[in-house]
Amino acid sequence: DSGVTQTPKHLITATGQRVTLRCSPRSGDLSVYWYQQSLDQGLQFLIQYYNGEERAKGNILERFSAQQFPDLHSELNLSSLELGDSALYFCASGPTGSNQPQHFGDGTRLSIL
Amino acid sequence: DQQVKQNSPSLSVQEGRISILNCDYTNSMFDYFLWYKKYPAEGPTFLISISSIKDKNEDGRFTVFLNKSAKHLSLHIVPSQPGDSAVYFCAASRGSNTGKLIFGQGTTLQVKP
Repeated sequence: DSGVTQTPKHLITATGQRVTLRCSPRSGDLSVYWYQQSLDQGLQFLIQYYNGEERAKGNILERFSAQQFPDLHSELNLSSLELGDSALYFCASGPTGSNQPQHFGDGTRLSIL
Repeated sequence: DQQVKQNSPSLSVQEGRISILNCDYTNSMFDYFLWYKKYPAEGPTFLISISSIKDKNEDGRFTVFLNKSAKHLSLHIVPSQPGDSAVYFCAASRGSNTGKLIFGQGTTLQVKP
């Protein structure tokens, strides 16, 4: 158990819809990272939040947004969903500073029909 | 531009023998490297890491070697066990305070009894 909790585990929805993925980091970790893993792909960095503020951005689509709340949990919002958004979305958390391993949740599998 | 590459999609070894997984990178600014193991329906699990100031790090059956001049790292598992069968991802990060990870595509390791 990594200590990182993601909900829901599975999400099935239709094109054009909006969904919210939730992540609770490990106790004491201030950073939350979101990654996307499409079929047969490695994990692609989307966005990082640190103590409530956006710290780094990857190739995140404008239709996607995230936030981190005062209790440090984070939400990833995906809107105007397209078939190509079907993927595994992982959240990871890490302590302050670089050169520290991130610990991952079990992911949310998003299927767009 | 794939900055971290795992050129072998799969590897099969016999139980008790050594497994060697390889990873190449292109960005000389990377200064922290990690290996994660991933089972189906689970998130990546941190295995071992190495800072660019070292060339070897060992943890039990797992050893990571870093060759900065060749921009190459490898993970050695000795002895391999059937429970090691999983997808292995290498990842790298730059010396910044974001800590975002760049992942390779993964190598599927099968350890045969």
